[in-house]
Amino acid sequence: GAVVSQHPSRVICKSGTSVKIECRSLDFQATTMFWYRQFPKQSLMLMATSNEGSKATYEQGVEKDKFLINHASLTLSTLTVTSAHPEDSSFYICSARQGMGYEQYFGPGTRLTVT
Amino acid sequence: SQQGEEDPQALSIQEGENATMNCSYKTSINNLQWYRQNSGRGLVHLILIRSNEREKHSGRLRVTLDTSKKSSSLLITASRAADTASYFCATDANRNRDDKIIFGKGTRLHILP
Repeated sequence: GAVVSQHPSRVICKSGTSVKIECRSLDFQATTMFWYRQFPKQSLMLMATSNEGSKATYEQGVEKDKFLINHASLTLSTLTVTSAHPEDSSFYICSARQGMGYEQYFGPGTRLTVT
Repeated sequence: SQQGEEDPQALSIQEGENATMNCSYKTSINNLQWYRQNSGRGLVHLILIRSNEREKHSGRLRVTLDTSKKSSSLLITASRAADTASYFCATDANRNRDDKIIFGKGTRLHILP
């Protein structure tokens, strides 16, 4: 199956700083990428959907100015957590899809800890 | 918002027994998928069942889908210690043109030795 990678796999940052997480589709071009957040012992919550070359669509309750998403190419999407706070500590998972009707492939996740 | 609800939320069974997890969803779907997640790890795709299918098998896994009841079940037969994980159902919420996948709350399965 297709491979989606995330970098970094783990990151620790100080409160108030910004951190960028990358999501790459390694062997296919992804017109759409999705970002999920998962708190401990909870399910994955969809944060936003990004289509290459256009602005991301955020789910209700997700602050677009805090979670900046860029999908500048067909193989790369980035999520930047700005002015991070300890409550932003979570597991962030991206997924990518070649197009409508195609399977969605998930990355391995990024563990963010804000101290 | 989440689409699916799994039950039970947590399940402990003896190794060798069968484990059944259920999932209910709210809106019409194109397909339903089941995923496994070991603690602190990424998702492992288990099986996809399309809306026009009623049952699907993969090894020790059996998935059923009842679109009239908007529910699905995942059966793991002859459970093993390695099956200990969280299991999520996920549906494609075909809203507008996004066709995004929404996850249920999950079932935490613990296989007792």
